[in-house]
Amino acid sequence: DAKTTQPNSMESNEEEPVHLPCNHSTISGTDYIHWYRQLPSQGPEYVIHGLTSNVNNRMASLAIAEDRKSSTLILHRATLRDAAVYYCILRRSGNTPLVFGKGTRLSVIA
Amino acid sequence: KAGVTQTPRYLIKTRGQQVTLSCSPISGHRSVSWYQQTPGQGLQFLFEYFSETQRNKGNFPGRFSGRQFSNSRSEMNVSTLELGDSALYLCASSLVGQLPDEQYFGPGTRLTVT
Repeated sequence: DAKTTQPNSMESNEEEPVHLPCNHSTISGTDYIHWYRQLPSQGPEYVIHGLTSNVNNRMASLAIAEDRKSSTLILHRATLRDAAVYYCILRRSGNTPLVFGKGTRLSVIA
Repeated sequence: KAGVTQTPRYLIKTRGQQVTLSCSPISGHRSVSWYQQTPGQGLQFLFEYFSETQRNKGNFPGRFSGRQFSNSRSEMNVSTLELGDSALYLCASSLVGQLPDEQYFGPGTRLTVT
């Protein structure tokens, strides 16, 4: 499986945008880019996914580099509730499980 | 629509015993996956069931097993418990188990082995 690299931790001020980077230089053409987050004392929660084009949903935006070797999860206005560990995961086409790395621990400061 | 439910939420067992954990997926979801989360190893995939068949398996010893019933509910069993099996066990369900399916996680079962 292709690997992802994320910063261990990031900090943001409340109500400011947050850009969470993910490098995946060995991504293959059929790998989907998924983002999940895990709030304290909860199971992981799906955030967004994409293949080639940028994606938006009610929670976040996903910006994918043209060569697909990196992507950025964008939270437009961070709230205290967004403090969590964010995981960037590649999933190959087919029925492949989620392979979690260590993720990025996001702290949000009021 | 009700989310993924897991029972029990907390469990304390003694080394050498066995344990069964239960997971009820979201209504209509046919794929159920199990994960183990520990502070040292993070989140690790155990196995996935789809239509009562194990479709994927992670790198865990044979003491870890599971099954899925015709109503998509799933159970996982750990036999001959070891101290290192203490972990949060998470269940996730998805609609058809094919990309780019999103997985919905339950709150987990916290297992403590003494």
